[in-house]
Amino acid sequence: GESVGLHLPTLSVQEGDNSIINCAYSNSASDYFIWYKQESGKGPQFIIDIRSNMDKRQGQRVTVLLNKTVKHLSLQIAATQPGDSAVYFCAETEKGNNDMRFGAGTRLTVKP
Amino acid sequence: GAVVSQHPSWVICKSGTSVKIECRSLDFQATTMFWYRQFPKQSLMLMATSNEGSKATYEQGVEKDKFLINHASLTLSTLTVTSAHPEDSSFYICSARDWEAKNIQYFGAGTRLSVL
Repeated sequence: GESVGLHLPTLSVQEGDNSIINCAYSNSASDYFIWYKQESGKGPQFIIDIRSNMDKRQGQRVTVLLNKTVKHLSLQIAATQPGDSAVYFCAETEKGNNDMRFGAGTRLTVKP
Repeated sequence: GAVVSQHPSWVICKSGTSVKIECRSLDFQATTMFWYRQFPKQSLMLMATSNEGSKATYEQGVEKDKFLINHASLTLSTLTVTSAHPEDSSFYICSARDWEAKNIQYFGAGTRLSVL
């Protein structure tokens, strides 16, 4: 199952700083991970993904790091902007499994 | 990226009435769609998995007779909240899995339901 009914942890950063959002997962068999961004009143949007055969993947201003040893996933946002303010969810899934499990989410607030 | 359209985005209804929410995958076929509920400042809560041509699979604690799901085609799933009550007021979000695109789930914009 996924995180249910948990209140969101928060992260506040200054505009221009780098942000790091962390996520721990529990299923060692998970082999595909996704980060989503959810702005207020909207559905989650895909940001970046990574497969378990990689430990790092870069996108535009975002980097995802995967540490399978400790089952930890992180999202790094470079030069954080006010438009990055949102809730960020990690999600994990296992090949052949229909379920996608979501983390509790982290609310990122960017201060101007 | 793939687009999932969810309609309506906001609905207000009277207690006791039923409300239907549509979820469409616009540029890919989705054999599996998901329905989530989200309370303010909380994470997504999976309600049910909708499989094209078969019955939906409901999560524990979700009343299947209250939240009717129909997935009649590869691009459309509907969620009907029957006999809505104020406690059903919430943000409902659907998603569709694009199996051809690395198994990514794409989300609709969500539907805010307010039951008076």
